[in-house]
Amino acid sequence: GAVVSQHPSRVICKSGTSVKIECRSLDFQATTMFWYRQFPKQSLMLMATSNEGSKATYEQGVEKDKFLINHASLTLSTLTVTSAHPEDSSFYICSAREVVRDYNEQFFGPGTRLTVL
Amino acid sequence: QQPVQSPQAVILREGEDAVINCSSSKALYSVHWYRQKHGEAPIFLMILLKGGEQKGHDKISASFNEKKQQSSLYLTASQLSYSGTYFCGTRETSGSRLTFGEGTQLTVNP
Repeated sequence: GAVVSQHPSRVICKSGTSVKIECRSLDFQATTMFWYRQFPKQSLMLMATSNEGSKATYEQGVEKDKFLINHASLTLSTLTVTSAHPEDSSFYICSAREVVRDYNEQFFGPGTRLTVL
Repeated sequence: QQPVQSPQAVILREGEDAVINCSSSKALYSVHWYRQKHGEAPIFLMILLKGGEQKGHDKISASFNEKKQQSSLYLTASQLSYSGTYFCGTRETSGSRLTFGEGTQLTVNP
């Protein structure tokens, strides 16, 4: 399957600081990438859909000014958590969509564990 | 709409079989199965698109019923490496987003 990388894998930051997470599709071009958030022992909750060259589409309840998404190229999307607070601590996972014939497969990055102190 | 997964958890001994179900109140475009180990990202297992379809590799297979509202994941002769949380993701149309079930935690003991 296709490979998606994510960086950093772990980050610890102080409350009030901003954190940037990168998501890259390594061997394919992804016009669409997705950002998920996962709390312990829970399912993946979609935060936003990132489209190359246009604004991201945010799910209901997700603050677009707090979670800034930029999809600058066909292989890179970034998520910036601004003014992070302890309640933002979570496992953030990106996913890239690869079009295969007439259907779409989604491949996930390894995730970023964010801890806000 | 979030699909319903069952059971929530299952504990097996190595070599035993398990079935995980994923159902929707609406006909689906596709069903995607993933396995996630603790602290890691989900790994893609397989996708089902056609009603009545069955597919699989090694000892893990899946089916999609004719009405395209239910899928089952079959794990036969389970191995220790099968332990993890299994998620089904569903799409209602070809362009819609993937929505995940709550997950099924599978534990395989020696």
